[in-house]
Amino acid sequence: QKEVEQNSGPLSVPEGAIASLNCTYSDRVSQSFFWYRQYSGKSPELIMSIYSNGDKEDGRFTAQLNKASQYVSLLIRDSQPSDSATYLCAAGGARGSTLGRLYFGRGTQLTVWP
Amino acid sequence: NAGVTQTPKFRILKIGQSMTLQCTQDMNHNYMYWYRQDPGMGLKLIYYSVGAGITDKGEVPNGYNVSRSTTEDFPLRLELAAPSQTSVYFCASSLSGTDSYEQYFGPGTRLTVT
Repeated sequence: QKEVEQNSGPLSVPEGAIASLNCTYSDRVSQSFFWYRQYSGKSPELIMSIYSNGDKEDGRFTAQLNKASQYVSLLIRDSQPSDSATYLCAAGGARGSTLGRLYFGRGTQLTVWP
Repeated sequence: NAGVTQTPKFRILKIGQSMTLQCTQDMNHNYMYWYRQDPGMGLKLIYYSVGAGITDKGEVPNGYNVSRSTTEDFPLRLELAAPSQTSVYFCASSLSGTDSYEQYFGPGTRLTVT
């Protein structure tokens, strides 16, 4: 059974702080990792993808991947109230493979208070 | 591009009724997926398809059926609705190859079975 676990939350941070969201995965074959943001009543929106060990930065978002520890994280710098949402971590197979499936965690609810 | 579209947005069914949830994508993606999301839970894969004419079961396929006759469309059929099928249903699509597994979601269908 391929499992993706996220810290249960909810996570509450003040505006301007760094929010840290964590995720572990059970299947060592996983090669593709994603963070989705889901606002209440809306569909998941892809915000970050990461395939290699290390950090990947996009604006205020940084994804970190450590395949040896089977650990993925998302850092949100200068958090804004508009970042308040549920963040879903997902893991999939090798980039370019034909398998196509992602395995999702339950999500971490983040609240950024002004 | 409209991306992934789903109809209807909301539906109330009586126990035992049938319905089809429609999903269409205009991104020429070969992979398509159906998920359900229950409150406080992550996304559970119902069925997926890697191309026209090819479908496979996900984690929770019981009570559902799918078909994929074209690249664009991937309808989900509920034959005998049960209260346990009350959920939000999301359709997603992705393109195999360099960016495989980056799934893009439709807006969802909120279904209530009473």
